[in-house]
Amino acid sequence: AQSVTQPDIHITVSEGASLELRCNYSYGATPYLFWYVQSPGQGLQLLLKYFSGDTLVQGIKGFEAEFKRSQSSFNLRKPSVHWSDAAEYFCAVHTGTASKLTFGTGTRLQVTL
Amino acid sequence: DSGVTQTPKHLITATGQRVTLRCSPRSGDLSVYWYQQSLDQGLQFLIQYYNGEERAKGNILERFSAQQFPDLHSELNLSSLELGDSALYFCASSVVGGIGETQYFGPGTRLLVL
Repeated sequence: AQSVTQPDIHITVSEGASLELRCNYSYGATPYLFWYVQSPGQGLQLLLKYFSGDTLVQGIKGFEAEFKRSQSSFNLRKPSVHWSDAAEYFCAVHTGTASKLTFGTGTRLQVTL
Repeated sequence: DSGVTQTPKHLITATGQRVTLRCSPRSGDLSVYWYQQSLDQGLQFLIQYYNGEERAKGNILERFSAQQFPDLHSELNLSSLELGDSALYFCASSVVGGIGETQYFGPGTRLLVL
C-alpha cells in the first residue's frame, strides 16, 4: 500500500531563513503528490501538486517542491520564511488505484522573529 | 475560502449519541470526500461519493455512514458515539473525483464527545 513519511514532526526557523520540509513516499509507480497547509483552526489549503513533467513545481505563497524519483522524495522549500508561514504542513499522495489522499503525519512549522 | 462549506463548526455531545455533519461542495463539483483528523490517527480518508453514489471507502467505522443527496450536498452520520470519535472531520470536494484531481477542503467540524 502507498504511504507517506514526513520525518520531521516539528521544525523551528527564523523569519527570513530558508525552509525545507521533507516528504518521502512509498509507491511503485509515479504517484500524484501534493502539499497542503493547515493554519490553526483552518481547513487544508493546497500549496502545490506534482503529476508529471518538470520535477520542480511552483506553488502559492512562494513555495516550491522538487520531485526526486531516485530518492522517492517530494520536499517542500521556501527561500525566505515569513512569520505568517507558521502552520502545519502535510504531504499527501494519490496513487493509480484510488482517488483518496493518503497523508503524512504532518510537520509543524514554528517561525521565530 | 475554498468554496466548500461545513456545518456545524463545533459540536459537543455525549457518548452514545448520534450526530450529523453536513457538507456543501464547491459549485460544479460532483465528488465529495470525508476525512477524519485525530491526534492518534492523523488525517484519514473515510469515504468518497460521486454524484450520489458511493465510490470508495476507507477506514470508516460501521457506526458511521454517509450519503450524498441529489443537490450534491453530503452528510456524515456518526452514531453510538465514543470518546475516541472526538476529532476534526473534514469534507473535501473535487470535480469528478478522478485520480490526481485537486481536492478542496472545507474548514472542518470539530466534534467533542464527552
